[in-house]
Formats: sequence, C-alpha cells, structure tokens
Amino acid sequence: EIVLTQSPGTVSLSPGERATLSCRASQSVSSSYLAWYQQKPGQAPRLLIYGASSRAPGIPDRFSGSGSGTDFTLTISRLEPEDFAVYYCQQYDSSPLTFGGGTKVEIK
Amino acid sequence: QVQLQESGPGLVKPSETLSLTCTVSGGSIRSYYWSWIRQPPGRGLEYIGYIYYSGSTNYNPSLKSRVTISVDTSKNQFSLKLSSVTTADTAVYYCARAPASGAFDYWGQGTLVTVSS
Repeated sequence: EIVLTQSPGTVSLSPGERATLSCRASQSVSSSYLAWYQQKPGQAPRLLIYGASSRAPGIPDRFSGSGSGTDFTLTISRLEPEDFAVYYCQQYDSSPLTFGGGTKVEIK
Repeated sequence: QVQLQESGPGLVKPSETLSLTCTVSGGSIRSYYWSWIRQPPGRGLEYIGYIYYSGSTNYNPSLKSRVTISVDTSKNQFSLKLSSVTTADTAVYYCARAPASGAFDYWGQGTLVTVSS
C-alpha cells in the first residue's frame, strides 16, 4: 500500500499569500497518478488537480500542481477567502487507492 | 451535469449490515468506475472500493472481508453493503465517479451513517 504523508498538518496564512502544500509517497507513484482535492466543512471533496499537474475543469489558475515520483506539491499562488479549507492528495496508481491525511489551510 | 446521490439508513446497530445506494443522474453509469469512500467525523478520507459498470470490483484489503459493492445499470445505481459493523464504521459515506485510470471527478454530497445501539 502506498502511504501518502502530507505536510504541514496545518498552515496559517493571510489572504493574498502563497500556500505551498507537500505530499510525499512511500513509493514511487508512476505516471503521476496523483490528485489533489479541496474540502470545505460539510461538503464533499472537490477535484482540483489530476495527473499531478493538470487542473480539473473550472479550477482557477491560481491552483497548480507539480512533482513526480515520490514528491508532489500543490501551490496556491494568491490565497482568496474561499481557499481556506482542507486539502488532500490521493494516489490512483496502485490498489488500494490511498489518501493523504490532509493539510488545513487556515486564516492567520 | 452528472449528479450522484447517496441514500440509506442513517443509523445502524452494531453487528448489523450497513446498506447504501448511490443513484447517478445526468449521465450513464457505463464506462466509468464507481466508488465508495468514507470519512469518520473529524478525520481523513478512506477508500472502500469500486465497481466497474461491467461488475468487476476492487476492495480495500482492510475492509474486503466485510464489503460488497454491486451495480444495477438498468437503474443507474450502485450499492454498498458493509457487514458486522462496529462504532468504528461511523462515518460520512461518499459515492464518487472516476474515469479509467483517473481521479474522482464527481462526488455525492455524502451521508452520515452512525453505528449505535
């Protein structure tokens, strides 16, 4: 099973600042089958990034994904008020599909 | 626009079987993978398993002995059964869609299932 470790657990930032979230895999995720989701309280997760770096339809370009192998990053270039939420990475390279523990982006 | 909607009892007794159904509207259930994912209160996401429209399945080994996922293409629905539940199975249960070798692009709103006597 591929274990995904996200860091930091929580990050406190102000609107307009840049957020950099990390997702590290216990073994290589081939073909960059790595996705990022945003989840707000009481809502289902929303797909932001798939294939490590491709934005899902309708996702603003302030969200970007990068990385390969075992190290992946989600960057939010300039935080908007609606971006404060929990972010999860997920690998769909091998079974069982697994999620990271999440990073909470909170308002400073 | 594809929509997924979970339905089923919100309260299940310990040792009994949890049963949920996901109804897909706005699109066909064919040619996609249909999954169940759960989230205990205040915690992260856990993959339960998926079914392809043809009926082939994949389950998380941690739950495999208790899980059955089935599909009814005539009703555009797929279902989850989780047997011998305990309080540790209390969670919000989501259904979700994924294309082949793809991420979960559509999700249901989730339904809270509480295991309690």
